[in-house]
Amino acid sequence: QVQLVQSGPEVKKPGASVKVSCKASGYNFNFHFLHWVRQAPGQGLEWMGIINPSRGGTTHAEKFQGRVTMTSDTSTSTVYMELGSLSSADTAVYYCARDWSFPIPDYYFDLWGQGTLVTVSS
Amino acid sequence: QSALTQPPSASGSPGQSVTISCTGTSSDVGRYNYVSWYQQHPGNAPKIIIYEVIKRPSGVPDRFSGSKSGNTASLTVSGLQAEDEADYYCSSYVGSNNLIFGGGTKLTVL
Repeated sequence: QVQLVQSGPEVKKPGASVKVSCKASGYNFNFHFLHWVRQAPGQGLEWMGIINPSRGGTTHAEKFQGRVTMTSDTSTSTVYMELGSLSSADTAVYYCARDWSFPIPDYYFDLWGQGTLVTVSS
Repeated sequence: QSALTQPPSASGSPGQSVTISCTGTSSDVGRYNYVSWYQQHPGNAPKIIIYEVIKRPSGVPDRFSGSKSGNTASLTVSGLQAEDEADYYCSSYVGSNNLIFGGGTKLTVL
């Protein structure tokens, strides 16, 4: 079954970091870029960045520069997104999403993970 | 990069057509044909319904169509059905391996 399965909900204190995982199955992990998108409660979608799972190359939205790290583990077909210096504004559902096109991304997401709720609260 | 501009809400009666706009600039929507539309029902992940401005993925009803004129992209839903009630988001490639979304439109089927 083609799917992206994300790690479970997290509760973090302000200033801490969180690491969310996204495990791919049912397709060739190396042949699709993966993106991270977040959605604050009751708000819209916000693109965070893209990773090439096979080579590890990444691009982040300028807003998250210096605070986000995206990595890939080809041995387990899993990508990770770590966000540091958390504040209440980072409370959101974080999604990983597959880009349908390779080797050039099309920035169109044909498969999404189920989402991971990250709550930042003191 | 500012978010693309969408109306907060739209509505229509069953069987009618409704069009949702997505306004950007000459640096994003106006420059690239990488505009996508997503449908999101409450509690669910978004689902792609239009990509590359006008293309419809397999399985998406042909009641959904996309278009673009200048810096504004549009999603038209024809023959509205109750299950079309959802939030709709546009997105556009903006160059330098970056993407932006619109603020979202809540579509209500009256």
